[in-house]
Amino acid sequence: DAGVTQSPTHLIKTRGQQVTLRCSPKSGHDTVSWYQQALGQGPQFIFQYYEEEERQRGNFPDRFSGHQFPNYSSELNVNALLLGDSALYLCASSPVGYNYGYTFGSGTRLTVV
Amino acid sequence: QQQVKQSPQSLIVQKGGISIINCAYENTAFDYFPWYQQFPGKGPALLIAIRPDVSEKKEGRFTISFNKSAKQFSLHIMDSQPGDSATYFCAASKGGSEKLVFGKGTKLTVNP
Repeated sequence: DAGVTQSPTHLIKTRGQQVTLRCSPKSGHDTVSWYQQALGQGPQFIFQYYEEEERQRGNFPDRFSGHQFPNYSSELNVNALLLGDSALYLCASSPVGYNYGYTFGSGTRLTVV
Repeated sequence: QQQVKQSPQSLIVQKGGISIINCAYENTAFDYFPWYQQFPGKGPALLIAIRPDVSEKKEGRFTISFNKSAKQFSLHIMDSQPGDSATYFCAASKGGSEKLVFGKGTKLTVNP
């Protein structure tokens, strides 16, 4: 049973560019959340998607946007990249209403130069 | 504003010893308190979690102690092993499917 799959695993972008990260949730999961983890810090919540709609959002600017597809997979888009956007981006999935937490993917390491 | 404060930032324990990591939270609406373990290059993996209706939960060598009045909870790792060397994060949420608020993490090193 595949867990949460994220792609790509590593990415290097130039400041000002745009990036798209992808996530396939664990089988049977329909809720997807994205987190940003800066080096040496805990993950910070970006947003959560359910039924193809943004359900919750953290304190991130509008440069961060997302999408969920009918098959529950999700994309995270970041526009106008800043050096400070360099981080590990984590996708987490859970069944809707499941009150026992998330399954995290291994993340995408984004480096902005 | 950091809503979950975690300490210590790093911890070194000898094999067979007890590792203790502490967290404090501010938001009394939190009702789900998980601990995650993260190895380098991997995402966080759920280790153990507790709800405020119990004061302690044990799973194998891992125990969560919860003090609702003090708004504190801690992770105890008994008989620590070198394979336990990882970064540990406490977290909190309003319900298990709501957004998680993480502490800053504790890097645990267990020496052989």
